Amino acid sequence: QLELQESGPRLVKPSETLSLTCTVSGGFIKIDDHYWDWIRQSPGKELEWIGNIHYTGKTYYNPSLGSRVTMSVDTAKNQFSVKVTSVTAADTAIYYCARHPERKNWFDLWGQGIPVTVSS
Amino acid sequence: DIQMTQSPSSLSQSVGDRVIITCRTSESIDRSLNWYQHRPGKAPKLLILDASTLQGGVPSRFSGSGSGTDFTLTISGLQPEDFATYYCQQSYRTPFTFGPGTKVDVK
Repeated sequence: QLELQESGPRLVKPSETLSLTCTVSGGFIKIDDHYWDWIRQSPGKELEWIGNIHYTGKTYYNPSLGSRVTMSVDTAKNQFSVKVTSVTAADTAIYYCARHPERKNWFDLWGQGIPVTVSS
Repeated sequence: DIQMTQSPSSLSQSVGDRVIITCRTSESIDRSLNWYQHRPGKAPKLLILDASTLQGGVPSRFSGSGSGTDFTLTISGLQPEDFATYYCQQSYRTPFTFGPGTKVDVK
């Protein structure tokens, strides 16, 4: 059974870069008809879609994060990652990785989420 | 961006109750609306896709309806494992957006 698991530092200093990785187990990331997404939820706020990546490296980002976000994929390790630069307290959130079928745009599999706090 | 609202924001219910949650969008999205269940400490779970299609493995007590800007999620006969927060999400256009959630807890 396919599972997703987020990992990375849970505490990041303001102005630094947040880096998280999602490991796909029980299956392969190198699938033509799926995209791999990042979604976050800040305290008291709605879920926010950050963006997604295909195993070919094609990406779509939410304009709300501007140029601060980049995603990458490592098919050899069956992982995909997200980086958010110049973080502030507003980037404090639970970060989820998820999968979505191409052209379907719903998220049919999620990780449990990883809480990340931005604080000095 | 397409804005999402949900009502109510929370409700207290008993096992066996019928629960109806409403989601409204700021513009028409046809039937591109999905529902998720999120229990604390667990991964969110897709329940309903395209407004009314039950995701595989989801119990039939869950159902969805609506189109355009108004949608509902109905739980017919609430079970103990259904106490959770429910979110709607539009898949009509990027950026994909979510509703603020409806928390269903024990009365």
